[in-house]
Amino acid sequence: GQSLEQPSEVTAVEGAIVQINCTYQTSGFYGLSWYQQHDGGAPTFLSYNALDGLEETGRFSSFLSRSDSYGYLLLQELQMKDSASYFCAVRGIGNYQLIWGAGTKLIIKP
Amino acid sequence: NAGVMQNPRHLVRRRGQEARLRCSPMKGHSHVYWYRQLPEEGLKFMVYLQKENIIDESGMPKERFSAEFPKEGPSILRIQQVVRGDSAAYFCASSPPASGSGETQYFGPGTRLLVL
Repeated sequence: GQSLEQPSEVTAVEGAIVQINCTYQTSGFYGLSWYQQHDGGAPTFLSYNALDGLEETGRFSSFLSRSDSYGYLLLQELQMKDSASYFCAVRGIGNYQLIWGAGTKLIIKP
Repeated sequence: NAGVMQNPRHLVRRRGQEARLRCSPMKGHSHVYWYRQLPEEGLKFMVYLQKENIIDESGMPKERFSAEFPKEGPSILRIQQVVRGDSAAYFCASSPPASGSGETQYFGPGTRLLVL
């Protein structure tokens, strides 16, 4: 089977840096995706790691290490608007569906 | 350049009624996915469709739930004889044919179903 573990909640201060971890158990997958979802809103795609290493997109970066079954999303220069839930997701080899973690609620304090 | 559209945004049904949720994918997208989300939880895959074909319905309950994506018109998720446990947010996502893998999916605003 496949499962992804994320912390349920993370708190950080405006302007700081925060890392949201995702550990997974899967027999094989194409890559690790990250999505952001504001309360009452739809998930929006943030980043995708097909290969090990760091992918940077502006203030957001995502990292994958297949040997460690681990990835993370890094948010820099936090802004209040970054308060949201963040989900990691994978698609297993031979599958069509994305398997989602339960999400990490990011709380940002001024 | 409209994104993924879903309607209705909110739907209230009484137990035993039918719910029909519609999804129009982004222009040029031929892959549609339906997900269900309960409060404080992640999304649960239900079904993956291409035009006129159900590709993977492994996440959809065998009874009362059905989905279609006709040649013309939106994709429809249909829930017959709704029960209170069906209350959730239902999201539709689409991806272009070239992506194949569906790694990047574009989500609609969701339909919030409340069963009384």
